[in-house]
Amino acid sequence: EAQVTQNPRYLITVTGKKLTVTCSQNMNHEYMSWYRQDPGLGLRQIYYSMNVEVTDKGDVPEGYKVSRKEKRNFPLILESPSPNQTSLYFCASSPTSGREGEQYFGPGTRLTVT
Amino acid sequence: QKEVEQDPGPLSVPEGAIVSLNCTYSNSAFQYFMWYRQYSRKGPELLMYTYSSGNKEDGRFTAQVDKSSKYISLFIRDSQPSDSATYLCAMGMGLGANNLFFGTGTRLTVIP
Repeated sequence: EAQVTQNPRYLITVTGKKLTVTCSQNMNHEYMSWYRQDPGLGLRQIYYSMNVEVTDKGDVPEGYKVSRKEKRNFPLILESPSPNQTSLYFCASSPTSGREGEQYFGPGTRLTVT
Repeated sequence: QKEVEQDPGPLSVPEGAIVSLNCTYSNSAFQYFMWYRQYSRKGPELLMYTYSSGNKEDGRFTAQVDKSSKYISLFIRDSQPSDSATYLCAMGMGLGANNLFFGTGTRLTVIP
């Protein structure tokens, strides 16, 4: 089954404790992105990757890191989480140029930072 | 001013009603337009994808784009309780997944 998987689905952590949210897709897509979704603000892009070893900042990159060492994986790293990073996070992938709007989203990771 | 404006609702309709969901945008550079559906506790899923002005129909769903007015709509005919979800409009202006802009979503409830 074609899908994007994320882990963990739910995470409660404390300020400053480093964490990683994993993302994997099995559709051989070039593009992958991370979004956060907050009430009243909608989906905002954190980082995106156009291919292996190619990443760039989205609209709200502060406090986040990413890496793309393999085509299928795109982990999101919070080196020192803060309460304002409490949010619902989605990983997404999309096919090659010309179909970027066709985003396939993972199930989401609900993160709470206390 | 946001790039994409979407009425957040919530919108509540009886089963069988015609639903109209709308978004406006300010940037004339947008070239393609999408509607995503998001069920509670799930990720968004692509519902409709259009490149040009006019209408595109898929079953009970019709997407309409009016580039001159910078306005897009999604119509749902014969609405069903299973259509209850949040609907997100999105649009893009060119190459790269970094050029997508999403509306904040309209929450729809279809009452049996």
